[in-house]
Amino acid sequence: DQQVKQNSPSLSVQEGRISILNCDYTNSMFDYFLWYKKYPAEGPTFLISISSIKDKNEDGRFTVFLNKSAKHLSLHIVPSQPGDSAVYFCAASSLYGNKLVFGAGTILRVKS
Amino acid sequence: NAGVTQTPKFQVLKTGQSMTLQCAQDMNHEYMSWYRQDPGMGLRLIHYSVGAGITDQGEVPNGYNVSRSTTEDFPLRLLSAAPSQTSVYFCASSPNPGTGVGEQYFGPGTRLTVT
Repeated sequence: DQQVKQNSPSLSVQEGRISILNCDYTNSMFDYFLWYKKYPAEGPTFLISISSIKDKNEDGRFTVFLNKSAKHLSLHIVPSQPGDSAVYFCAASSLYGNKLVFGAGTILRVKS
Repeated sequence: NAGVTQTPKFQVLKTGQSMTLQCAQDMNHEYMSWYRQDPGMGLRLIHYSVGAGITDQGEVPNGYNVSRSTTEDFPLRLLSAAPSQTSVYFCASSPNPGTGVGEQYFGPGTRLTVT
């Protein structure tokens, strides 16, 4: 049973436009959410996080939105750049927990 | 700082062989973890440690052992390799045990093939 789901295996976006990556979760105990970015043959790198006391967090071109009632979060990248092409993983944990649960990932391709 | 280092980068094993994947970090992080990445399944937690001498199981611990004798090192042992353990293995560390795993720093990965 996947507790964190990324239902879109891939997404293709034109350079300069907005990329929206989605993530759903089922475990009500999750209250801390993270996005990681991964290039081929490298380890994932942390991108942005949000706790359940917020519904939005911004860092430059990256914004994460959290809808607790729908158990849904999304990552917006504006504007998208070719260097953003990578696999994006959504992850969740409880705020004082020691385990991260990852989604299956979404491959983002930004076309120039 | 080298961050999180993993050796080897690639390994091919025969069924039944044993081996140890090495992981080291130089950031003095208390929390360390091992994940495996398989196609279509994201990263799954194998084992983790919140400090030297303390380890615990993750989501998929069977067939793997870990120990944490120092803050810096967190080796992962495969006792008797099976084809189902063919995967890419990532080690990660974080400064924040007990207050949420938070931001983790990942190593470059070890690609393991079991024939």
